[in-house]
Amino acid sequence: GESVGLHLPTLSVQEGDNSIINCAYSNSASDYFIWYKQESGKGPQFIIDIRSNMDKRQGQRVTVLLNKTVKHLSLQIAATQPGDSAVYFCAEIPYSGGYQKVTFGTGTKLQVIP
Amino acid sequence: KAGVTQTPRYLIKTRGQQVTLSCSPISGHRSVSWYQQTPGQGLQFLFEYFSETQRNKGNFPGRFSGRQFSNSRSEMNVSTLELGDSALYLCASSLAENSPLHFGNGTRLTVT
Repeated sequence: GESVGLHLPTLSVQEGDNSIINCAYSNSASDYFIWYKQESGKGPQFIIDIRSNMDKRQGQRVTVLLNKTVKHLSLQIAATQPGDSAVYFCAEIPYSGGYQKVTFGTGTKLQVIP
Repeated sequence: KAGVTQTPRYLIKTRGQQVTLSCSPISGHRSVSWYQQTPGQGLQFLFEYFSETQRNKGNFPGRFSGRQFSNSRSEMNVSTLELGDSALYLCASSLAENSPLHFGNGTRLTVT
């Protein structure tokens, strides 16, 4: 796995605007994808997931889009709030092979400007 | 439902010592995975336990070991600590393979 380096890409968003965080994945055989939010001093928190047989899934204020053609995943946060400030990263989980095969994407730091 | 609980939250040890970290998974979850998180390397898989058996293992030296008890609680042990072992150690539980991993808040280990 590889993710969350020292120099994370940062996305600065005005409070109330929508945020879009992107993730490129590498394994076309990946079957299952999860977005996590990690606040400072805490563990990753599950936000939303999507299976490879879906293109879109919506949760509360969040939408995940999956484009299998270009192996791209995005997380959209509507009406971004200060409490959304955190590092976000994706995880791709293959259908088989166990959790050793889970790959974590490079994190993106979301900064919400009040 | 209570989340994944890790204890202790913080640990400071010196080189050469050993340490044991504990993880209580979400009730009903039998799979427990351990990860090391550092700024430079990100999340690195250590091992996974299911029904008291180590099912998968990452590329870490033998100084890193773990076990799981019949109640699914898991412990991770690191012997002969090195400075490079300083990291956030995260435990995650899941209901089954190919299902969401739910993480605890981790144990911050500092080796001096």
